Amino acid sequence: DVKVTQSSRYLVKRTGEKVFLECVQDMDHENMFWYRQDPGLGLRLIYFSYDVKMKEKGDIPEGYSVSREKKERFSLILESASTNQTSMYLCASSLGDRAENSPLHFGNGTRLTVT
Amino acid sequence: AQSVSQHNHHVILSEAASLELGCNYSYGGTVNLFWYVQYPGQHLQLLLKYFSGDPLVKGIKGFEAEFIKSKFSFNLRKPSVQWSDTAEYFCAARAYTGGFKTIFGAGTRLFVKA
Repeated sequence: DVKVTQSSRYLVKRTGEKVFLECVQDMDHENMFWYRQDPGLGLRLIYFSYDVKMKEKGDIPEGYSVSREKKERFSLILESASTNQTSMYLCASSLGDRAENSPLHFGNGTRLTVT
Repeated sequence: AQSVSQHNHHVILSEAASLELGCNYSYGGTVNLFWYVQYPGQHLQLLLKYFSGDPLVKGIKGFEAEFIKSKFSFNLRKPSVQWSDTAEYFCAARAYTGGFKTIFGAGTRLFVKA
């Protein structure tokens, strides 16, 4: 069974801090994604990666960056956290293009509060 | 731009009632469609998916969805809901826009009264 692990379940950070959210998957998936989930807005894609060192902007990349140095790890970075980045962050992974119907496998999420 | 819209944000049903949750997507090319479910306190998980073939797909726990290409719709149905179906349901579409990006709808919260 695919396991997607997010390093923290809850985080509280101060405005202006640099924040790292880590995600690791154990199924050799090519694609990895970062979403944020907010009530009434569903899941919005921040960034995704389809290979090591490759990254693509999603729909709301402003204020975020990502890093994919190894296939199994995809990090989301908030360079200078702001209160409007308080949210639930979800990491997901899926097989690559050869399995274009592959569903997403989600981690448990990290609830980030920025004060 | 690719988008997914879900018709209802909140649905309240009694047990044994029938369920239909609407989903429309906007994308003209080949698209894969999914329904995900998030039970209270749990992570998102796949309910069912469509990528080709029979437009009526069956998923776990008695759910099914019908792909109607002419209407760009992928509605979720269940003939008789149970209290344990209380959850949030997300429709999603995946098309090739540089890496098979998956776009989600805003979600529908279903509450089933016991």
